[in-house]
This record gives sequence, structure tokens and C-alpha cells, in this order.
Amino acid sequence: GAGVSQSPRYKVAKRGQDVALRCDPISGHVSLFWYQQALGQGPEFLTYFQNEAQLDKSGLPSDRFFAERPEGSVSTLKIQRTQQEDSAVYLCASSLKGLGAPSTDTQYFGPGTRLTVL
Amino acid sequence: AQTVTQSQPEMSVQEAETVTLSCTYDTSENNYYLFWYKQPPSRQMILVIRQEAYKQQNATENRFSVNFQKAAKSFSLKISDSQLGDTAMYFCAFEDGQNFVFGPGTRLSVLP
Repeated sequence: GAGVSQSPRYKVAKRGQDVALRCDPISGHVSLFWYQQALGQGPEFLTYFQNEAQLDKSGLPSDRFFAERPEGSVSTLKIQRTQQEDSAVYLCASSLKGLGAPSTDTQYFGPGTRLTVL
Repeated sequence: AQTVTQSQPEMSVQEAETVTLSCTYDTSENNYYLFWYKQPPSRQMILVIRQEAYKQQNATENRFSVNFQKAAKSFSLKISDSQLGDTAMYFCAFEDGQNFVFGPGTRLSVLP
């Protein structure tokens, strides 16, 4: 498909379990973003990749959160020892250009992964 | 730090009427971009309209237009001839080349 895809769409984890969320950006897109969206809230920035380089991880809420994009395409967000407060929808977005390029570019969002921690 | 404020948590409008959603932001940057995104109940976020801060002319996309007031740091979205499919959460967002910040959103309901 031509859009951003994310898997799984829904994930239920027991408190303390590790989870891995996958994002397939649009082919050729340089930038990849992860956001956390709590119920009824706007997306909160987590981290940003330009190709394989993680240029900003200032939004990651704790060291239990880890993201990677080793080959500059697919990205994985990993949450270790999940807690109930981690329950949210995790959104991935990609854009053709890098942040700071002469003109910014539209971010295209995936459908999100809804994580529920019991 | 940049912040984006949407003061209307919920709004409703009759089909075919016009509605305006408000957004204000705070930044010390001079060059930046502003966006309105729509998130229908299916949750796929899609871009509605974007505005470059250096452009004085307000952006328009069919039934959607913005009123960009740079000095007031205001960026409102006007939806004309509202349709049932416009029912969604609307997020105002800001980007300055280093940060991308979303507002808390406005839930818009279009009533038949």
C-alpha cells in the first residue's frame, strides 16, 4: 500500500510485559515520528528519526521506551516492563523531507496501535 | 517552549452551515509552519490545510480556509458548507524545523 502502516492495530499486555510496535513508513520518506496519544488528547511527540539517525528522543517518557530504525525504513517502538500509564494509542508518521529542510513537508500518519496495559 | 492552545474542546454545527475553530500558539521563532489535522472516528490522522508563516495570504483548500494572524499568533480554521463527514477531532499543529507540537484538539460534530 501507499500509506503508513502500523502493526499490531491492537495490543493488550499485562503489566510488566515488554511490547514492540512496528511502523512501516511510506517508501522513500526520510523522516519518521512517533507520538503517544492518550484518550481524548492530542498526540504527544515521542521521538524523531531522519533516515536511521534518531535525532530527537526528548519526548520518550522514561528509559523503558526505546525506538530504532536501523535501515532507515521500518521503525520499532519498544516498551519494556509496561505500566498502566503506558496505555494509549501510539501513532507513527512519516514525511518526505527532513525537519529543517528549506520547506517543511506534510506528515502522513498511520492508523495507530492501541495499547492497553492491564 | 512552543505551545499550541485550542480553547474549544467541543463544538457542533448544523449541516451546510459555517463553523470556525480557534487556535493560538506561542513561539519566539519567526519562521514556522502551521497545520490543521483531522482525525475521524477511525483515527487515521489526515492533513486538512497548512500555512507557512512567511506567507501573508491565508491558505484555502476547497471548503476549508484559515485566518492567520501572525502578530496575534492566531490560526483559526473555517469550515464552510459543513458536511456530515466533517465530524471528527481537529488538531492544530506547529512546526519550526525542530519541534512539532499538537494542540489538545476540538471535537466537531456536524448535525443533520
